[in-house]
Amino acid sequence: GQQVMQIPQYQHVQEGEDFTTYCNSSTTLSNIQWYKQRPGGHPVFLIQLVKSGEVKKQKRLTFQFGEAKKNSSLHITATQTTDVGTYFCGGGRRALTFGSGTRLQVQP
Amino acid sequence: DVKVTQSSRYLVKRTGEKVFLECVQDMDHENMFWYRQDPGLGLRLIYFSYDVKMKEKGDIPEGYSVSREKKERFSLILESASTNQTSMYLCASSTTTRDTQYFGPGTRLTVL
Repeated sequence: GQQVMQIPQYQHVQEGEDFTTYCNSSTTLSNIQWYKQRPGGHPVFLIQLVKSGEVKKQKRLTFQFGEAKKNSSLHITATQTTDVGTYFCGGGRRALTFGSGTRLQVQP
Repeated sequence: DVKVTQSSRYLVKRTGEKVFLECVQDMDHENMFWYRQDPGLGLRLIYFSYDVKMKEKGDIPEGYSVSREKKERFSLILESASTNQTSMYLCASSTTTRDTQYFGPGTRLTVL
């Protein structure tokens, strides 16, 4: 079946540093979604990408969908303590298959 | 605002018990999902439902069953709970299977 891998599993940065998480699928994706889960909370939708090569920005967050639609990335510029949490990517045809997530810790 | 509620935040059960986890959504969504979340494993899909009385297996359906008798309610059933089913269980709903998913707060189940 489809597999979605996410790296790194964990990253600890100093506030103000940049952060990137990568998502790779074993199959071509029709779309990819990104979610953020704060500690003790539930996943909350961030964005969906559907087009090959698509790039979307939300303030300090930049999302990319690869040309082959098999990989994606989330880049955060100048992290803040409010960025702490686990970031998940998910994609699929009938239902989303999620990656294992990247846990981001930001040191003030 | 979409609201997805789950019957319990914390639940403790004994091995062999039958366990029901309930999920209700108030946005008339067609699709509902059950995931379990374990450290390092992310969100794994157990079952999903795309209509009343319709269900489809996810990646890890073994040991679980589901019921969707009404559009707004999706139940996850552990027929005979085992210790390896100790986990966080998250319910979600969406308009279509590929639309934004709205998650409930989760139920942390401990099986002793």
